[in-house]
Amino acid sequence: GAGVSQTPSNKVTEKGKYVELRCDPISGHTALYWYRQSLGQGPEFLIYFQGTGAADDSGLPNDRFFAVRPEGSVSTLKIQRTERGDSAVYLCASSSLAGARDTQYFGPGTRLTVL
Amino acid sequence: QQQVKQSPQSLIVQKGGISIINCAYENTAFDYFPWYQQFPGKGPALLIAIRPDVSEKKEGRFTISFNKSAKQFSLHIMDSQPGDSATYFCAATYSSASKIIFGSGTRLSIRP
Repeated sequence: GAGVSQTPSNKVTEKGKYVELRCDPISGHTALYWYRQSLGQGPEFLIYFQGTGAADDSGLPNDRFFAVRPEGSVSTLKIQRTERGDSAVYLCASSSLAGARDTQYFGPGTRLTVL
Repeated sequence: QQQVKQSPQSLIVQKGGISIINCAYENTAFDYFPWYQQFPGKGPALLIAIRPDVSEKKEGRFTISFNKSAKQFSLHIMDSQPGDSATYFCAATYSSASKIIFGSGTRLSIRP
């Protein structure tokens, strides 16, 4: 079956602009996660959804970052007033059960470059 | 604060050799330790995982060794193959958590 998909695969924007990154989880997966991976580093947790609600948003770096999952499936990560330091690969993952012990299946990521 | 420390940063091993990657953690509340494999342009994929109530777990050529008292764990790849060339991440989490805490990664290259 289809895995986690993310669009766009690459996004180049200018400093100060607004961007939206989309994640389509594996069908039927109720849990959805966003991570950010900077060059040469491991992924860092941003936010976790169980169904439509954000169950843990402790990893969001500041109020410029926001994510939604209105129907409990597709999620959108939104970044306002982008800064050069936001440049990274943004990874989405989904799992069938809640909690980190259930296998999280990662998408290929969206590479965001802020000029 | 880096909760999971990983070494080495990069590793070159001859085909057929043993690749060893080491990790250490600080938070004794962690109770699940997965390893992820990531190829260029792809997301990480779960390779193997262990709970701290066992000292070793083996799946094919991949083995995790776990030392709870030292708060250290390691990944051994036996008979390393060129197809194993990838970046490997150790990680940790705990029962009530949703997030996975990753190490900084080891770029492994297997020379033919």
